[in-house]
Amino acid sequence: EPEVTQTPSHQVTQMGQEVILRCVPISNHLYFYWYRQILGQKVEFLVSFYNNEISEKSEIFDDQFSVERPDGSNFTLKIRSTKLEDSAMYFCASSERLAVYTGELFFGEGSRLTVL
Amino acid sequence: QKEVEQDPGPLSVPEGAIVSLNCTYSNSAFQYFMWYRQYSRKGPELLMYTYSSGNKEDGRFTAQVDKSSKYISLFIRDSQPSDSATYLCAMSGSNDYKLSFGAGTTVTVRA
Repeated sequence: EPEVTQTPSHQVTQMGQEVILRCVPISNHLYFYWYRQILGQKVEFLVSFYNNEISEKSEIFDDQFSVERPDGSNFTLKIRSTKLEDSAMYFCASSERLAVYTGELFFGEGSRLTVL
Repeated sequence: QKEVEQDPGPLSVPEGAIVSLNCTYSNSAFQYFMWYRQYSRKGPELLMYTYSSGNKEDGRFTAQVDKSSKYISLFIRDSQPSDSATYLCAMSGSNDYKLSFGAGTTVTVRA
C-alpha cells in the first residue's frame, strides 16, 4: 500500500540552527501539506502546496518557514533559525484531490524535532 | 472560544462497550467533517468523512453531524482492544485547503 514517508524520524538541533525535514508523498498525489503537533496539543495546520506554489498557510508559518518541492518526488519543510517553541512532531501529508472534499489526507509517521 | 473543542479524556471502556466521542465547533463555515484515528507514534489515519447533517455508518463506526447545534459525534460499537488510540475530529470549510483539528480523545479498550 502506498504511503507517505518522512525523514528523519527524530532530529535534535541547537536553537538558531537550520533544519530541513523531508517527505516523499504518495506518487500520484497533487496536494501536499505540513502539519505539526506540539506534545500534548492538537494537530495544527502549517501550509498547503499545490501546483508548485503555496495555496494556504497559517499564522504559524512565518518567514522562518519555507517549503519546496525540489524534484518530482520530495517535499521539504525548512526552518531557517529554530526556536525552542519549534519543538514538535511535524507531519507531512498528501492527497490526490483537495482533502476537504474527501477527508482523504494521508499522513506520514512524523518527524520529531527537538530544539535545545 | 476555541474553533474546535474536543474533550481529551482519557476514556477507558471494557471490551464490547460502545464508545461515544464528540466535538463542538464555533465556525459556521465548516461544511466537511472527519474523524481520524491516531495510534501512538503514528500519523493520523482517516476513519470517517461526512459533509451533511445526519448519520453515516461504516461497519462498527457511526458518525453523526448536527450542523444546527455545531456538534459532531463518533460512536464505536462492540469496541475492541485494537480500537485503543487517540481519536481526532477535524473539519473544514468549502474553500479551505486546511483541516482544523480537535485536541483528540484518548481511548483505551480493556480486554
